[in-house]
Amino acid sequence: LAKTTQPISMDSYEGQEVNITCSHNNIATNDYITWYQQFPSQGPRFIIQGYKTKVTNEVASLFIPADRKSSTLSLPRVSLSDTAVYYCLVAGAGNNRKLIWGLGTSLAVNP
Amino acid sequence: GAVVSQHPSWVICKSGTSVKIECRSLDFQATTMFWYRQFPKQSLMLMATSNEGSKATYEQGVEKDKFLINHASLTLSTLTVTSAHPEDSSFYICSARSDTQYFGPGTRLTVL
Repeated sequence: LAKTTQPISMDSYEGQEVNITCSHNNIATNDYITWYQQFPSQGPRFIIQGYKTKVTNEVASLFIPADRKSSTLSLPRVSLSDTAVYYCLVAGAGNNRKLIWGLGTSLAVNP
Repeated sequence: GAVVSQHPSWVICKSGTSVKIECRSLDFQATTMFWYRQFPKQSLMLMATSNEGSKATYEQGVEKDKFLINHASLTLSTLTVTSAHPEDSSFYICSARSDTQYFGPGTRLTVL
């Protein structure tokens, strides 16, 4: 199971773009990269998932370089409600794949 | 996305009693569900993998006789904390996989 490394915390301001980078040097060929958001006392919420290049949905973009040893979650124009912990995980696509959670990145969005 | 529910959302119990937490996949079937525990300011810790129709697989250090898991149907897994003690107080979260893993809202257990 690939280990991931993220910054422990980040600060930003409303309206700014936030980029959170995750390192996963030992990612396997069949691993996908998934990002989750978690608010206090709530279960994690799926944000975005990708395998390579760029993925975009209604809330975020995920940039994955060719070597796939890192990935960057991009949150456009953050608001106060985006203050949360963001987790990067890598795992295979099987139905019974385990997700091993790192410490995540605590993002604080300031007024 | 897919919806996973948990019940109850919070529970307070006396030391020595048992508590059952339910995890349901509401709009999809899940042969595999996962149970996590999370202490304040910490990350999620995988406790066990729940498999429909077979025994659960526990992570190292998790007591299978204390944390009983039953996955009786494709939409329901239960976690029973037996003889709960104050150190079992935590936030318990389940997940199930559809196109990706979806998580329940969590259950806050407080053991007095």
